[in-house]
Amino acid sequence: AQSVAQPEDQVNVAEGNPLTVKCTYSVSGNPYLFWYVQYPNRGLQFLLKYITGDNLVKGSYGFEAEFNKSQTSFHLKKPSALVSDSALYFCAVRDRGNAGNMLTFGGGTRLMVKP
Amino acid sequence: DAGVIQSPRHEVTEMGQEVTLRCKPISGHNSLFWYRQTMMRGLELLIYFNNNVPIDDSGMPEDRFSAKMPNASFSTLKIQPSEPRDSAVYFCASSHRSFGAGELFFGEGSRLTVL
Repeated sequence: AQSVAQPEDQVNVAEGNPLTVKCTYSVSGNPYLFWYVQYPNRGLQFLLKYITGDNLVKGSYGFEAEFNKSQTSFHLKKPSALVSDSALYFCAVRDRGNAGNMLTFGGGTRLMVKP
Repeated sequence: DAGVIQSPRHEVTEMGQEVTLRCKPISGHNSLFWYRQTMMRGLELLIYFNNNVPIDDSGMPEDRFSAKMPNASFSTLKIQPSEPRDSAVYFCASSHRSFGAGELFFGEGSRLTVL
């Protein structure tokens, strides 16, 4: 079985400050990990993914995420937040051995960036 | 690339009416997923297809819901009869099962309101 936890329903940060959105996962094997962003009245947009290799993954819009196998975490980060980053963020996991190609999504974290 | 295309974007109907939502996946993708998103329940996987074949429909809430994928470029999600509690945003997503990590690409969603 695979699962994802996003422990914070909402994260508030001031514009220009660094941001972190937390994600922890559970899989029986090795994971593929993903972050998606959803702006109001839009579909989920793919931000970045971890497959293998470098634990720091860079993605769209200046976001990056750090894979930590010992802590089973994949936190999303950005050095300097923008008001336009305000959105709903979803973490997702897929067990590499999952031939069915199903992703399991977390419950989402709302990011609010204030001017 | 046109992305995943869903129609209609908005649908308002009365209880008891039949609703049909449509999806065109990204060309070349061989997995297709239907999700439902509500404030109360978050993002729920309803059903997914591999190579046009339904693999897991355990998320379909009731027999009132049915989904088909007659060919690789088209899928429908039908609700008959519709009820107010079916009001939600329905997303279609597609991926390539055997290429990359299997990240999903989402459409913009169909917002359903059942009165």
